[in-house]
Amino acid sequence: EAGVAQSPRYKIIEKRQSVAFWCNPISGHATLYWYQQILGQGPKLLIQFQNNGVVDDSQLPKDRFSAERLKGVDSTLKIQPAKLEDSAVYLCASSAGGQNNQPQHFGDGTRLSIL
Amino acid sequence: QKEVEQNSGPLSVPEGAIASLNCTYSDRGSQSFFWYRQYSGKSPELIMSIYSNGDKEDGRFTAQLNKASQYVSLLIRDSQPSDSATYLCAVNGGGSTLGRLYFGRGTQLTVWP
Repeated sequence: EAGVAQSPRYKIIEKRQSVAFWCNPISGHATLYWYQQILGQGPKLLIQFQNNGVVDDSQLPKDRFSAERLKGVDSTLKIQPAKLEDSAVYLCASSAGGQNNQPQHFGDGTRLSIL
Repeated sequence: QKEVEQNSGPLSVPEGAIASLNCTYSDRGSQSFFWYRQYSGKSPELIMSIYSNGDKEDGRFTAQLNKASQYVSLLIRDSQPSDSATYLCAVNGGGSTLGRLYFGRGTQLTVWP
């Protein structure tokens, strides 16, 4: 079974520029998550989708971050404009359902550096 | 703010020893608990899940859960150098945050030959 696919693996931009990340979850997984992992910390949830609907975006900085999952499969996360504190690894995860007992499986992440 | 605390590292054990990793959580409504292993520069990899009080064994790994004490641990028997990684404890939020995973900061484990 193919895992969660993410691209790009690395991205370097200057502050105030925009950037987008792409994620394709494990086939058949209805729930998709975007996490931000700052160096030395655990991942923090940014947004959770169930199919193409948003379940939880309470920790998404909506003034600069946006995400969509239009067809209920792959998803994009955008930052515009980027700030220095956005330097982190952005992880996408998926699970078979939104129930609390479904383990989440992570992609390799996108490492973002802001200059 | 729901919190997940892990014992501060780094933890260093010799090859063949038992490594013990601990985690406490603040949300009494949490029902699902996970341990992820993260190698440097890699994504978290699920290694154990536990939902009921008691022990759950999978190969060299044993997860222990005590909901009354809000405590979950991971034991790694016969530790190998390949076990050297950061171990993340993740707890599912109860109530209105059902489905959201809360992660600890991780404990860095080094197994030396």
